[in-house]
Amino acid sequence: DAGVTQSPTHLIKTRGQQVTLRCSPISGHKSVSWYQQVLGQGPQFIFQYYEKEERGRGNFPDRFSARQFPNYSSELNVNALLLGDSALYLCASSLGGTGAPLHFGNGTRLTVT
Amino acid sequence: EDQVTQSPEALRLQEGESSSLNCSYTVSGLRGLFWYRQDPGKGPEFLFTLYSAGEEKEKERLKATLTKKESFLHITAPKPEDSATYLCAVQADGSGNTGKLIFGQGTTLQVKP
Repeated sequence: DAGVTQSPTHLIKTRGQQVTLRCSPISGHKSVSWYQQVLGQGPQFIFQYYEKEERGRGNFPDRFSARQFPNYSSELNVNALLLGDSALYLCASSLGGTGAPLHFGNGTRLTVT
Repeated sequence: EDQVTQSPEALRLQEGESSSLNCSYTVSGLRGLFWYRQDPGKGPEFLFTLYSAGEEKEKERLKATLTKKESFLHITAPKPEDSATYLCAVQADGSGNTGKLIFGQGTTLQVKP
């Protein structure tokens, strides 16, 4: 079975631009989460969606937004990019529910110049 | 505030030299503790979930244990292919319905032949 797939794998943007990252969850998984991982650090929670509804938002500015589609795929949008947004953006899917493990994709490496 | 701390930050072992990685946590209430392995340029790969103190899980050369304050990942007779960053994460009661994981900064393991 296919795991979590993310696109694109790499992206280079200029400060002030906008970016959209895409994620397809494991078949049967209705929960999708987004994390940001800066080099040398653990992933930081950005959003979680379950059944197309936002269930939680981490400590990120309003420039970050996301949505989940009827097929449970998801997009993460970041507006007005800053140099500090350069990071690995990880998407994870799960069955949902307390204690359910997250399964991660290989991420999108975003570089803002 | 919920927090996860991993030690050491980096660990170098000779092939066959067993050791342990530590994950200390402070949370309002633990729903689950997760161990992941991350290879360079890849997303975290799920290894184990532990739910209650005293619980143990094993997979090949890896064994994870859990107490009320910390978790250990024991690596027995490691091989060079075990080289990776190992991440610990917790899901806490304070995360509500989000399934949010709080990650430590990781331990980078290098196993030399």
